[in-house]
Amino acid sequence: DAGVIQSPRHEVTEMGQEVTLRCKPISGHNSLFWYRQTMMRGLELLIYFNNNVPIDDSGMPEDRFSAKMPNASFSTLKIQPSEPRDSAVYFCAMGAGGADTQYFGPGTRLTVL
Amino acid sequence: GDSVTQMEGPVTLSEEAFLTINCTYTATGYPSLFWYVQYPGEGLQLLLKATKADDKGSNKGFEATYRKETTSFHLEKGSVQVSDSAVYFCALSPPGSGNTPLVFGKGTRLSVIA
Repeated sequence: DAGVIQSPRHEVTEMGQEVTLRCKPISGHNSLFWYRQTMMRGLELLIYFNNNVPIDDSGMPEDRFSAKMPNASFSTLKIQPSEPRDSAVYFCAMGAGGADTQYFGPGTRLTVL
Repeated sequence: GDSVTQMEGPVTLSEEAFLTINCTYTATGYPSLFWYVQYPGEGLQLLLKATKADDKGSNKGFEATYRKETTSFHLEKGSVQVSDSAVYFCALSPPGSGNTPLVFGKGTRLSVIA
């Protein structure tokens, strides 16, 4: 069973550019979570989906951030336009809720110059 | 709301030392409790979990016991190794939460020196 796949693993871009982060979830888990991790703020939940439907996006910092899950096999997190303070590691995770384990991807390290 | 508080790091230990990382929680009812570990450059991965009071989760020499009376889930290991150097996160899943996110603590960085 392959793990959660995220791409790219590293992204360096300039301020103002659009950034798209991708997640290919594990099959059989109906919840998908996007997190952001920084030294200053730790691990923050940005948004989560149940059965491909966005449930809570209150953690999305600004309108510059958007996320989609068009089907059970794919999700994207887009930042447009990007800013240096968006620099962080972004994780995608899958789970089935309750006592079920959440499976994290390896993360995308984003650097906005 | 539900929350998790874990000890501030970093924690630095010598190889073969005893490890305790404290974790307490606030939640209504009986949540499920987890410890996740993040090795350098990787995502979080489940280390152990407990789903009801007095349960003990264990894995790779680590243990944690679900203590309802003290609302705690402290992580322990009798003899740490350099390879245990990582960030450890305590987390809870609210009871009856269905498909809602885990509530994570801020993480505790452990460094083990040879």
